[in-house]
Amino acid sequence: DIQMTQSPSSLSASVGDRVTITCRASQNIDNYINWYQQKPGKAPKFLIYAASSLQSGVPSRFSGSGSGTDFTLTISSLQPEDFATYYCQQSYITDMYTFGQGTKLEIK
Amino acid sequence: EVQLVESGGGLVQPGGSLRLSCAASGFTLSSYKMTWVRQAPGKGLEWVANIKQDGSEKNYVDSVKGRFTISRDNAKNSLYLQMKSLRAEDTAVYYCARDYLYTYASRYYYGVDVWGQGTTVTVSS
Repeated sequence: DIQMTQSPSSLSASVGDRVTITCRASQNIDNYINWYQQKPGKAPKFLIYAASSLQSGVPSRFSGSGSGTDFTLTISSLQPEDFATYYCQQSYITDMYTFGQGTKLEIK
Repeated sequence: EVQLVESGGGLVQPGGSLRLSCAASGFTLSSYKMTWVRQAPGKGLEWVANIKQDGSEKNYVDSVKGRFTISRDNAKNSLYLQMKSLRAEDTAVYYCARDYLYTYASRYYYGVDVWGQGTTVTVSS
């Protein structure tokens, strides 16, 4: 099984900050990684596929990068609505998706 | 509007059974692979199972193999998750979701683009 490890587990930041969340895969997954945002009590929202392609409607302040085993999600200028938990997910093995454990982004 | 609505959650005793349903609307269910994802209280997301468009291929996370069965009825625009021999650790919000196939740089990528609101399953005596 492919394990996905996110860091940090939690992060405090202020509106306007640039933040980066990291996800590491236990084996090479090329660029088959997705990112999701989840707010309390809500279903996840799909943000990015293929490591760097923004889903339709996602603000351009979100960006993703990486290939192989190391990936990042960057928010260039935090907005109040961005405080949430973020998950990475590998789609390299389509008969067994795995998610990272999540990164909770909190207001400083 | 593209929508997924789950139902069937509730309180069940350990060892019991439950069947979750997911009603799809606003799109043609038969065109998409579908997925169940769960989230235990205060925990992260866990992929549970998925099923190919025609139901010919089904996959499960190891912890539910032999106990859960995913199925679909495309004519009824519905997805199901039959859960048996339930354990306390199956307590979670269960989300029905759509796998969308994207094309990028001449390659194909899956992403879970539409999610239901979730249905809560509690396994407790």
